[in-house]
Amino acid sequence: DAGVIQSPRHEVTEMGQEVTLRCKPISGHNSLFWYRQTMMRGLELLIYFNNNVPIDDSGMPEDRFSAKMPNASFSTLKIQPSEPRDSAVYFCAVLLGYTGGGYGYTFGSGTRLTVV
Amino acid sequence: AQSVAQPEDQVNVAEGNPLTVKCTYSVSGNPYLFWYVQYPNRGLQFLLKYITGDNLVKGSYGFEAEFNKSQTSFHLKKPSALVSDSALYFCAVRDSFSGGYNKLIFGAGTRLAVHP
Repeated sequence: DAGVIQSPRHEVTEMGQEVTLRCKPISGHNSLFWYRQTMMRGLELLIYFNNNVPIDDSGMPEDRFSAKMPNASFSTLKIQPSEPRDSAVYFCAVLLGYTGGGYGYTFGSGTRLTVV
Repeated sequence: AQSVAQPEDQVNVAEGNPLTVKCTYSVSGNPYLFWYVQYPNRGLQFLLKYITGDNLVKGSYGFEAEFNKSQTSFHLKKPSALVSDSALYFCAVRDSFSGGYNKLIFGAGTRLAVHP
């Protein structure tokens, strides 16, 4: 977890408000992924970036969701307006280097979002 | 369609007994397979991977996994379970259609409960 810093750890907001989740990955990665985890749906890939460029955002549930990666050391996931069904744990993960099929991901500790 | 199946929502085992967490996969081409573990309020942590070579792969914390091509399985095993192994375990396979981006497809997860 130490390699990927997510903030805030917990967020409680009212329906209709804008929410911004932040991810600060360690240097040396080439791909960054945003996941959402819920009891009902498990882990869902929302979007991923390679060299700061969005590659596949087909997992973003609605236009209310948007993600940016302005540079290699920072990414945001924004929900506007938020709804109760967006309540979940949101994870950021990075892929460090490339060895054969990849060494796997390093995940942040997640942001637990509650929309009331 | 490419997919990963973890047929058991929960596995219960007594401390000191061997444990197995099952995973089967469906993917085009040669599979790149992974196991991750998630402890409460934490992100997923990499345990082990299979890319090629010996069918028995050894990983962190005494875990190992056996790749079986004919059965399209990659079961996670440990000879002697510890209470501290209690966690959520995810099997994952590299999406072979994601090009060089190493996108992973995760299973639904299996909760392992080790009882004293």
